[in-house]
Amino acid sequence: AQSVTQPDIHITVSEGASLELRCNYSYGATPYLFWYVQSPGQGLQLLLKYFSGDTLVQGIKGFEAEFKRSQSSFNLRKPSVHWSDAAEYFCAVGLTGGGNKLTFGTGTQLKVEL
Amino acid sequence: GAVVSQHPSRVICKSGTSVKIECRSLDFQATTMFWYRQFPKKSLMLMATSNEGSKATYEQGVEKDKFLINHASLTLSTLTVTSAHPEDSSFYICSASVYDTYEQYFGPGTRLTVT
Repeated sequence: AQSVTQPDIHITVSEGASLELRCNYSYGATPYLFWYVQSPGQGLQLLLKYFSGDTLVQGIKGFEAEFKRSQSSFNLRKPSVHWSDAAEYFCAVGLTGGGNKLTFGTGTQLKVEL
Repeated sequence: GAVVSQHPSRVICKSGTSVKIECRSLDFQATTMFWYRQFPKKSLMLMATSNEGSKATYEQGVEKDKFLINHASLTLSTLTVTSAHPEDSSFYICSASVYDTYEQYFGPGTRLTVT
């Protein structure tokens, strides 16, 4: 069965520290990959996406993610976290011919300590 | 660009009544709209996919007669929760997409509380 796993439910980092949020997927083919962020009271915002090509993808707000086919992973990174990055982060995947449908991971709650 | 609005942002209704939630794409035409339900501390659960002018496709386990979805135009989709009960209390989120782009633009969500 298709699945998206975000193994870390909660992560706490200090402001200025680096961040890596993990995402693994289980699909037969290479899916389209996304990272979204959800802040309280706001809708999900797309941080970045991977469809094909360069496996290191740059996104908004200083985020990047790397697609590793051998590990079926698409981890999100940021070299220096800001307090405003505290939010819920969701990894999502879509499949070719899937009619634009996305399957979301369970999310990772990021807390930033000042 | 790519702004999606939802109305209302919060609604409280009594058990047995119906509630309608609107989802609008403000600056683009959405061929496909999605409706999700999000429980506290949980991921988004896709309820249904609606394409403009056709019947919605519901995910397994979602009652189509309880959650009525209409996608009458390329900028508007509605979700009506019929005969709402307390267990229907949740955060409902819509998203809009252009066919075959795989990018979804999300509304801010609607908090439904059924008393």
